[in-house]
Amino acid sequence: AQSVSQHNHHVILSEAASLELGCNYSYGGTVNLFWYVQYPGQHLQLLLKYFSGDPLVKGIKGFEAEFIKSKFSFNLRKPSVQWSDTAEYFCAVKRVNDMRFGAGTRLTVKP
Amino acid sequence: DTGVSQNPRHKITKRGQNVTFRCDPISEHNRLYWYRQTLGQGPEFLTYFQNEAQLEKSRLLSDRFSAERPKGSFSTLEIQRTEQGDSAMYLCASSLVGVSAFFGQGTRLTVV
Repeated sequence: AQSVSQHNHHVILSEAASLELGCNYSYGGTVNLFWYVQYPGQHLQLLLKYFSGDPLVKGIKGFEAEFIKSKFSFNLRKPSVQWSDTAEYFCAVKRVNDMRFGAGTRLTVKP
Repeated sequence: DTGVSQNPRHKITKRGQNVTFRCDPISEHNRLYWYRQTLGQGPEFLTYFQNEAQLEKSRLLSDRFSAERPKGSFSTLEIQRTEQGDSAMYLCASSLVGVSAFFGQGTRLTVV
């Protein structure tokens, strides 16, 4: 079945640690790729997106993601996390009409 | 606030009752999506409109579920004969063609 997979369900880091969250998808053809963040009690917000061009995309709050077409991956990175990054992170893949989400990764940053 | 607006924010209903949720998208957005999110899961696609046309429906959308977008602006999602398994957060998102989707705060449904 076509899907979006996020490898880590819960990641716990200390402040200033580096972050990498994995995302793989199984759809063929042209896709648009997104990372959304959901802070506690808030709605989903767009962190960054890839449509075309440079496969390394930069988003808000120091996040970046790299699209590797051959690996069907779109991993999210941040060199130094902060306590305020504690949230749930969702990878999403958009084809022609719809957008499908991974199950999410809960990030807890310890002060 | 000119973002996506969903009402009500919370709904508690008895099993077997019908419920209706409303979504007001960002005004110029022609695409509107409905998702369902349960605890510990990512949003699951339910259905999608382009203007007033419902272009795709997930098989998750049983015949008890119906969605409309009568004038290509706001949308409603109705669940008939609710079941406990329908308890979830129902999310609405809107976008323009080729642009990222913006999400509303969601409607949390609890079926007791």
